[in-house]
Amino acid sequence: AIRMTQSPSSFSASTGDRVTITCRASQGISSYLAWYQQKPGKAPKLLIYAASTLQSGVPSRFSGSGSGTDFTLTISCLQSEDFATYYCQQYYSYLWTFGQGTKVEIK
Amino acid sequence: EVQLVESGGGLVKPGGSLRLSCAASGFTFSSYSMNWVRQAPGKGLEWVSSISSSSSYIYYADSVKGRFTISRDNAKNSLYLQMNSLRAEDTAVYYCARDFPHNYWGQGTLVTVSS
Repeated sequence: AIRMTQSPSSFSASTGDRVTITCRASQGISSYLAWYQQKPGKAPKLLIYAASTLQSGVPSRFSGSGSGTDFTLTISCLQSEDFATYYCQQYYSYLWTFGQGTKVEIK
Repeated sequence: EVQLVESGGGLVKPGGSLRLSCAASGFTFSSYSMNWVRQAPGKGLEWVSSISSSSSYIYYADSVKGRFTISRDNAKNSLYLQMNSLRAEDTAVYYCARDFPHNYWGQGTLVTVSS
């Protein structure tokens, strides 16, 4: 199974900060990488797919990049509603694995 | 509007069984693969099982293989997860999700396995 490793696991940031979360795959997955946002008690929400394509309705402050094994999610100017947990997921091959999550907390 | 509504969760004893359902509306259900994803309390997301649009392809996570069975009824716009031989570690919120990547999710249904 392909292992997805996110870093960091959590961090604190302030509104207006530029933040970056990384996701590394244990083997190449081309661009078959999605990012989700989850708030407490809610279902995850798809933010980005194909590594860099913004899902409809998602604010442009979110962006994704990378291919192969290394990927990043960037929030250009953190808003209060962005404090949440973020997950990457590979959908390149069977056993569609998620990263362990990155919790973004208010500083 | 796309809607996915899970049901069937509850409290069950170890070794017991439960059948989850996911009712879909607002899209052509028979055209999409469907998935179950779970989240244990305070933990991350875990993909559980997937079924293709015509049920030709079915996949399971190693953690549930041989115990869980995914199925769908395209005439009823419904997805199912039959869970047998349940263990404490199966305790989680179970979500149904459409397609890859998962662009629509239900609200989840809680399964608690405890004596």
